[in-house]
Amino acid sequence: QSEVTQAPSASGTPGQRVTISCSGSSSNIGKNYVFWYQQLPGTAPKLLIYRNTQRPSGVPDRFSGSKSGTSASLAISGLRSEDEADYHCAAWDDSLSGPVFGGGTKLTVL
Amino acid sequence: QVQLVQSGAEVKKPGASVKVSCKASGYTFTSYDINWVRQATGQGLEWMGWMNPNSGNTGYAQKFQGRVTMTRNTSISTAYMELSSLRSEDTAVYYCARGSPGYSYEFDYWGQGTLVTVSS
Repeated sequence: QSEVTQAPSASGTPGQRVTISCSGSSSNIGKNYVFWYQQLPGTAPKLLIYRNTQRPSGVPDRFSGSKSGTSASLAISGLRSEDEADYHCAAWDDSLSGPVFGGGTKLTVL
Repeated sequence: QVQLVQSGAEVKKPGASVKVSCKASGYTFTSYDINWVRQATGQGLEWMGWMNPNSGNTGYAQKFQGRVTMTRNTSISTAYMELSSLRSEDTAVYYCARGSPGYSYEFDYWGQGTLVTVSS
């Protein structure tokens, strides 16, 4: 059972801005960095956002991360068909002494 | 370029063990932790543990303690994850992932995944 929760699905139309949320607790998101991973169909996850808001080299600035209290969000602006993927949030959990992932949100571009 | 290349798919019977390999290239193998993460079909990601390839030190998620062993062979820049006493619930894709400097749980590069199927 995940200590961090995400809505199982989200959707948007091309060009739209969508937000994916991640809810945790004081033992994980509340005091530790949040990471976001993008998993395209049939592939391995890829680091999309690290340490709450940072983008690795090569990740478009259409992707942005934020955190407030025990929740975090990933925003995607100018939605494109190639953004259709599963998005996973993760954070270190002090109680578990390890990283914990949300269940993932499947983004559909309509 | 950094690459993590994993061994091929495995089919095992309940009660058996499986050993998955992860060969690193494009960077100094002993300078970055290797983590293992698994994903059952249609499910989320689940962290299993980490290993420091330089020291061999390991840390396992409580759920897997006693069943998982992470090792390495530095001469061939390869990490291994062995899971024993397999049951059907262990059927999943297993990924190795490199931890970035300073934050071992920040997974900046991933292997392609290895499907392990547990079936009688």
